[in-house]
Amino acid sequence: SAVISQKPSRDICQRGTSLTIQCQVDSQVTMMFWYRQQPGQSLTLIATANQGSEATYESGFVIDKFPISRPNLTFSTLTVSNMSPEDSSIYLCSVGLASTYEQYFGPGTRLTVT
Amino acid sequence: AQSVTQPDIHITVSEGASLELRCNYSYGATPYLFWYVQSPGQGLQLLLKYFSGDTLVQGIKGFEAEFKRSQSSFNLRKPSVHWSDAAEYFCAVGAVSNFGNEKLTFGTGTRLTIIP
Repeated sequence: SAVISQKPSRDICQRGTSLTIQCQVDSQVTMMFWYRQQPGQSLTLIATANQGSEATYESGFVIDKFPISRPNLTFSTLTVSNMSPEDSSIYLCSVGLASTYEQYFGPGTRLTVT
Repeated sequence: AQSVTQPDIHITVSEGASLELRCNYSYGATPYLFWYVQSPGQGLQLLLKYFSGDTLVQGIKGFEAEFKRSQSSFNLRKPSVHWSDAAEYFCAVGAVSNFGNEKLTFGTGTRLTIIP
């Protein structure tokens, strides 16, 4: 497995602002993923962020709203831009070790937009 | 496209009783199947996985799950629950999406409450 940390753990932000969430892994990994978990809901994949290539976004998510950086094999950031109350969610990063499917998750960032 | 159904939104079980959480999937080929647990305020922890081979898989914390192809199911079981098992449980299927990329698709989760 891997040890994954996220910063911040939680934040309260005003609408119209942006927040950047950091994800740090204790080992080098190729595959990193960003998910959104809206209140009382399941996880929805936002994008896949592999080092050395552009992030791949899922249907319904766009780069202008959720820009992602992946500068090296242990770190990634997700920015939630021009936030609205509908962006209030838990944002989780995960890494794929042996395969894309076997993923290990960070503790999440709880975002509240007022 | 692949999908996962967890029919039970909320289950309450007495401590020491047995547990079964249901999961049904939809996918044209043999899927990769997973169970994750999310404790309050925590991220997701992988409980167990099925890739191939023996259809009864053992996981951490005394959990097991059985893959039944004929029923498209991957139910999670535990013979005797502990109060610390109270959490949200997610079933997931790993498959190739309509866009051609590999991804995990999660069910809506089952909240488990343990009563003394």
